[in-house]
Amino acid sequence: GESVGLHLPTLSVQEGDNSIINCAYSNSASDYFIWYKQESGKGPQFIIDIRSNMDKRQGQRVTVLLNKTVKHLSLQIAATQPGDSAVYFCAEIPPNTNAGKSTFGDGTTLTVKP
Amino acid sequence: NAGVTQTPKFQVLKTGQSMTLQCAQDMNHNSMYWYRQDPGMGLRLIYYSASEGTTDKGEVPNGYNVSRLNKREFSLRLESAAPSQTSVYFCASSEASGTGSTEQFFGPGTRLTVL
Repeated sequence: GESVGLHLPTLSVQEGDNSIINCAYSNSASDYFIWYKQESGKGPQFIIDIRSNMDKRQGQRVTVLLNKTVKHLSLQIAATQPGDSAVYFCAEIPPNTNAGKSTFGDGTTLTVKP
Repeated sequence: NAGVTQTPKFQVLKTGQSMTLQCAQDMNHNSMYWYRQDPGMGLRLIYYSASEGTTDKGEVPNGYNVSRLNKREFSLRLESAAPSQTSVYFCASSEASGTGSTEQFFGPGTRLTVL
């Protein structure tokens, strides 16, 4: 089956810097993408989503960019804080998928240094 | 609202023992899912239920069974546990029905060790 992959397994940034986490997806037909954050010992939590008819979507301190040409997603976190330290997963959902099944990547571990 | 709850939080089993992981959601969601997460890895779908009364296999269903007891509850059963089933198990739910897509809400996980 197709899967979502991540370019870098770990990312270390200084507090206050901006972070960029990348994700490559395989299914060019996928039309919905989600970024999740997983803190240590907890379940993943929704951060932001984007549909394939958009190139960019902004949330509070986070921005997701979608490049359908190269099947690439990125998550940008502005002014990274220690509380942003976590594992970040992207997930893709192809159209006409029963129950909105998601395919998750392996995750990028973000470490924020004070 | 409690969201998605899972019991137990931790469990240690011996090879060959059986157990059921419980999951409940209070968000009136249609779809529910069971995932396993091995150390340093992503989430792999075991089974899912698109609606009450239906269940389907995911990516790694072997060694597991599920029951969608009602709209709120979705249980995962290990009939004969094996060390390869040592993992963290997450239950999730979403509003998605049919082919619609929405975010998933995850429970806190069950950490299972099989000796």
